[in-house]
Amino acid sequence: NAGVTQTPKFRILKIGQSMTLQCTQDMNHNYMYWYRQDPGMGLKLIYYSVGAGITDKGEVPNGYNVSRSTTEDFPLRLELAAPSQTSVYFCASNLPGFQAEAFFGQGTRLTVV
Amino acid sequence: GENVEQHPSTLSVQEGDSAVIKCTYSDSASNYFPWYKQELGKGPQLIIDIRSNVGEKKDQRIAVTLNKTAKHFSLHITETQPEDSAVYFCAASKTGNQFYFGTGTSLTVIP
Repeated sequence: NAGVTQTPKFRILKIGQSMTLQCTQDMNHNYMYWYRQDPGMGLKLIYYSVGAGITDKGEVPNGYNVSRSTTEDFPLRLELAAPSQTSVYFCASNLPGFQAEAFFGQGTRLTVV
Repeated sequence: GENVEQHPSTLSVQEGDSAVIKCTYSDSASNYFPWYKQELGKGPQLIIDIRSNVGEKKDQRIAVTLNKTAKHFSLHITETQPEDSAVYFCAASKTGNQFYFGTGTSLTVIP
């Protein structure tokens, strides 16, 4: 059971470049999330999805886009990379309802130079 | 929105001693409070959680307490071991699909 898988693990982007962070889960979870983690700042929610075809903004959505065409996949798109997007990105998923454990991927460390 | 504050940001304890991490939240409607442990280079993993209808929950050496009136909850680790060294995050949620995280506590257990 792979759980939540993120690719790539590391990436260096130049300012203005675009990229997609991939996230897939094999637990048939309806809910999926993207967080960014900055030093000393905890995890901030970027976008989340409660099911295929449904996405919504979190606390810090500017500069990002998402799509959810299948239950398994929830890619995060950076269109015009900026240094402020240098961070570690985590994808997570859980089942619907309250008190449902969220499972996290291993993270993607992104540096924008 | 919800605001979760976590203290301390760093904590060092001797092996065998206890460690306590405290969090406060702002939204009285929050009703689910998980704690996550993050080891270096890995994603956070749930270690214990508590619901708003419970005041305390224990799992071996780990316990969590919740004071709804004061809007704060705490993680207690007893008989600490070197493998407890990690970053710990508290979180609060009221919908089950949005979690607001604290800023993390880096715990070091000194052998």
